[in-house]
Amino acid sequence: GDSVTQMEGPVTLSEEAFLTINCTYTATGYPSLFWYVQYPGEGLQLLLKATKADDKGSNKGFEATYRKETTSFHLEKGSVQVSDSAVYFCALSRNTGGFKTIFGAGTRLFVKA
Amino acid sequence: GAVVSQHPSWVICKSGTSVKIECRSLDFQATTMFWYRQFPKQSLMLMATSNEGSKATYEQGVEKDKFLINHASLTLSTLTVTSAHPEDSSFYICSAPNPDRVNFDSYNSPLHFGNGTRLTVT
Repeated sequence: GDSVTQMEGPVTLSEEAFLTINCTYTATGYPSLFWYVQYPGEGLQLLLKATKADDKGSNKGFEATYRKETTSFHLEKGSVQVSDSAVYFCALSRNTGGFKTIFGAGTRLFVKA
Repeated sequence: GAVVSQHPSWVICKSGTSVKIECRSLDFQATTMFWYRQFPKQSLMLMATSNEGSKATYEQGVEKDKFLINHASLTLSTLTVTSAHPEDSSFYICSAPNPDRVNFDSYNSPLHFGNGTRLTVT
């Protein structure tokens, strides 16, 4: 079945460091890929998405490129801030006659000042 | 826009009692809502798809008689944990697809989430 694997956390970085959170997926067909973020005390919210191969999603300085050849959707940011501290979830959604969204386990990011 | 409100945010109940969790779409209509369960340090597990006006669709392994879902209107879905036991203690989260997309079968639609309900069964 469909699945999403993302790197285990927590990830601890200093402010202005470069961030990469790896995400790979397994799915038949052509899923849409998402990154969701959950800030402390809040619900999940969409960070960015990509719907086809080679698409790049971007938002708030974060980027991720849909790589079908490596079945990956790694999240990157060039310079993290303390306010980026949160849990990040990689997810895929595929047309299954309705649709379901499958999530990775989540990666907690701590950014130190 | 596209706010999903979930209530209560936390609840403690005794074993054997039932607990109802509400999920409301505040500024849009949602014919479909999803209920997830999240274990500590684990991913969100889809429990069921709630469909307005029809029966919910449960994922394999989820007991439909234990987790009763009712989607009574276009803005409200409820999850009732019946005869709760300590192993039902978990974080429950509801979500609804992006209301800008008319076709809810579109898998390109991102989800809008409630803030979750922490259930503790003693």
